[in-house]
Amino acid sequence: GNSVTQMEGPVTLSEEAFLTINCTYTATGYPSLFWYVQYPGEGLQLLLKATKADDKGSNKGFEATYRKETTSFHLEKGSVQVSDSAVYFCALSEMGRGAQKLVFGQGTRLTINP
Amino acid sequence: SQTIHQWPATLVQPVGSPLSLECTVEGTSNPNLYWYRQAAGRGLQLLFYSIGIGQISSEVPQNLSASRPQDRQFILSSKKLLLSDSGFYLCACLRGGLTDTQYFGPGTRLTVL
Repeated sequence: GNSVTQMEGPVTLSEEAFLTINCTYTATGYPSLFWYVQYPGEGLQLLLKATKADDKGSNKGFEATYRKETTSFHLEKGSVQVSDSAVYFCALSEMGRGAQKLVFGQGTRLTINP
Repeated sequence: SQTIHQWPATLVQPVGSPLSLECTVEGTSNPNLYWYRQAAGRGLQLLFYSIGIGQISSEVPQNLSASRPQDRQFILSSKKLLLSDSGFYLCACLRGGLTDTQYFGPGTRLTVL
């Protein structure tokens, strides 16, 4: 079946550092890819998405490019802030029994120190 | 845009007691609805999803059940809670129409003692 693998956390960086969180996937066909963010004690928020190969999703300074050749969707940000501390989930969409479903990676906890 | 409400926000229940968690959606009609569980320090596990009233698909056989009595209401239940049912329960919605983006509610933190 389809699966998503994220880099193991936790990740700790200093403010203004460059961030990369790796995400690779295994899937039949060409699913849509997503990054969700979860702040402490909250639900998940959609951060960005890409629906086809070579698409670049971007939001709040974060970017990720859908790379079909490497089956990857790595999340990047040029200069992180303390407020970016959260858990980040990579996910892909697949069709289940008559409905779209999301397959999530295990999540990567990010801590940004001032 | 849609708004997803979950009730209650937190819950502490003894082992063996019943459970009812509610999810309601505003701002869309005929959505797909989903229940996920997030155990401490772990990823998200899809428990149930529904494409319409009375239509429930179960992803993982377990101690829980789901129901959809109205178009925008999704309920997660248990007759007798286990310790392993503790976790953070998230409801998600996929709007009707040409979209593949799920939106999540604020979650319910369940502790079974």
